Amino acid sequence: DGGITQSPKYLFRKEGQNVTLSCEQNLNHDAMYWYRQDPGQGLRLIYYSQIVNDFQKGDIAEGYSVSREKKESFPLTVTSAQKNPTAFYLCASTKEAGELFFGEGSRLTVL
Amino acid sequence: DAKTTQPTSMDCAEGRAANLPCNHSTISGNEYVYWYRQIHSQGPQYIIHGLKNNETNEMASLIITEDRKSSTLILPHATLRDTAVYYCIVRVANYGGSQGNLIFGKGTKLSVKP
Repeated sequence: DGGITQSPKYLFRKEGQNVTLSCEQNLNHDAMYWYRQDPGQGLRLIYYSQIVNDFQKGDIAEGYSVSREKKESFPLTVTSAQKNPTAFYLCASTKEAGELFFGEGSRLTVL
Repeated sequence: DAKTTQPTSMDCAEGRAANLPCNHSTISGNEYVYWYRQIHSQGPQYIIHGLKNNETNEMASLIITEDRKSSTLILPHATLRDTAVYYCIVRVANYGGSQGNLIFGKGTKLSVKP
């Protein structure tokens, strides 16, 4: 079945460490997105990519980095520069003018 | 993009219709109304969208007022599995590349009770 797969589902890291969250889709979608969600809050856009080898910053890109070397993959790195990284991270993709398809999310906790 | 206003929370009895309102008084002529829902600790799920005509699919109905300043999402026979946060979003639908740059506010927390 087609869909979006995020891994890991849960992740713990120590302060000062970088961590990379994986997002893979087999829907043949061109555009992919990363969102952050804090408890009781809506989603905020971190980065998005319309095509391979191109990406743009969203509203809260500081402390994060991405790459888009393949159409199917859009990994997100949470760097040590991100001051408050504990959150629920969601990846999504879409075809042109279509609805967003979301993954199941990755919950990152900084110890 | 136009902003939306939704009630923070609503309750609905199982088997009854759930009517979730959304105000979007500053909506532009080319902006669509989208609805998504998010069940606890899962990714959001697309429900329905529309421009000015009422829309219906297997999940829900969307009623948009004639002046387009408000809309209502209707779940005709709510079940316990419909308990979720429901987001109303307005956005231009033409892709321009940033279709995913949807502004997800806090939404409405719908609790379906037995």
